Amino acid sequence: KAGVTQTPRYLIKTRGQQVTLSCSPISGHRSVSWYQQTPGQGLQFLFEYFSETQRNKGNFPGRFSGRQFSNSRSEMNVSTLELGDSALYLCASSLVQGVDEQFFGPGTRLTVL
Amino acid sequence: AQSVAQPEDQVNVAEGNPLTVKCTYSVSGNPYLFWYVQYPNRGLQFLLKYITGDNLVKGSYGFEAEFNKSQTSFHLKKPSALVSDSALYFCAVRDPNSGGYQKVTFGIGTKLQVIP
Repeated sequence: KAGVTQTPRYLIKTRGQQVTLSCSPISGHRSVSWYQQTPGQGLQFLFEYFSETQRNKGNFPGRFSGRQFSNSRSEMNVSTLELGDSALYLCASSLVQGVDEQFFGPGTRLTVL
Repeated sequence: AQSVAQPEDQVNVAEGNPLTVKCTYSVSGNPYLFWYVQYPNRGLQFLLKYITGDNLVKGSYGFEAEFNKSQTSFHLKKPSALVSDSALYFCAVRDPNSGGYQKVTFGIGTKLQVIP
């Protein structure tokens, strides 16, 4: 069974631009979560989607948004990029929420210049 | 609100020695607890979890963790460290009593360095 895939793997953008990241979960997984990973902050929860609905949201500004499609694939969008948005963005999927562990993709490395 | 703390930024251990990576948590009820590992330039991988039952949980690569409710801890352990265990380790908690769909909170991570 294929793992979680994320595209693109690397992105370089300039301040003020916007970016869209994509995540394809493991087949059959309906829950997709997004995290921002930085050296000083660890993993910060962005949001979680289940059956195309956002179920949870972390403490990030409204510039960060996401959505989930009927096939469980998910996208996250960051508008008006800031230097501080440079990070590794990780997507994770699980069968359902609760007791299930999450399976992580390799991440998208975003660099904002 | 739920939280998890990993008090050590880095743990150094000699190859062959036992290792412990510490984790403490705070939730309102009985927690679901997880350990993940991140090898250099790779995504996070699931190691083990505690949901209910036996306080000692065994996971991948010879790792185990002990759930201690009175000390609100879930320390990761391995009897004999390998150089290949060198990686970044994350503890995570989910509070099943928080209602609805509950998010997972991760610790800041502990870098494990196994010295040959």
